[in-house]
Amino acid sequence: GAGVSQSPRYKVAKRGQDVALRCDPISGHVSLFWYQQALGQGPEFLTYFQNEAQLDKSGLPSDRFFAERPEGSVSTLKIQRTQQEDSAVYLCASSLAHEGVAFFGQGTRLTVV
Amino acid sequence: DQQVKQNSPSLSVQEGRISILNCDYTNSMFDYFLWYKKYPAEGPTFLISISSIKDKNEDGRFTVFLNKSAKHLSLHIVPSQPGDSAVYFCAAENSGGSNYKLTFGKGTLLTVNP
Repeated sequence: GAGVSQSPRYKVAKRGQDVALRCDPISGHVSLFWYQQALGQGPEFLTYFQNEAQLDKSGLPSDRFFAERPEGSVSTLKIQRTQQEDSAVYLCASSLAHEGVAFFGQGTRLTVV
Repeated sequence: DQQVKQNSPSLSVQEGRISILNCDYTNSMFDYFLWYKKYPAEGPTFLISISSIKDKNEDGRFTVFLNKSAKHLSLHIVPSQPGDSAVYFCAAENSGGSNYKLTFGKGTLLTVNP
């Protein structure tokens, strides 16, 4: 596609439920990032992939968060046993190379009730 | 500890005038800076960037200035248009680092009044 595509756009989860958020990066983009944006804040880094390799996961807030990109294209961010503090917009971004400008998707707004 | 700070949560400007959005950073390892624009319910859209080897970069109505000694950058929009109304995020990167992540400020809501 022309841009970074994320699905679903909105997700409501009951506390304790597992969720999976999908990101389709721009075709050919090597680098893929996940960010978390809380209300009134800027995006905060979660994790970074170069092709299928997860090179940095220092921003993942707990071991309930897990990301994968098995074939170096589509990525999934999984959150297990969701908590209310997980409510945020989850943004995916991709770039052609590690030094390129990152292009963002529209985000998935997760609300945990 | 915020490494990228946008101290003005909001800014209101008249159409046709100049908008100046400011950003300060504390990490001296940052060497690449970007501005993103965000409309409601959309993801951030890249606007303009600057490398630390430059002090100015211009693209149409948008100019970014970098003052390395002051660890300060600013985005100038001239002339401002109502369609420029959005949240503007300043972001910084250490391109010599290993993860190429962006560190964002909290954003400034720009409103351009017709």
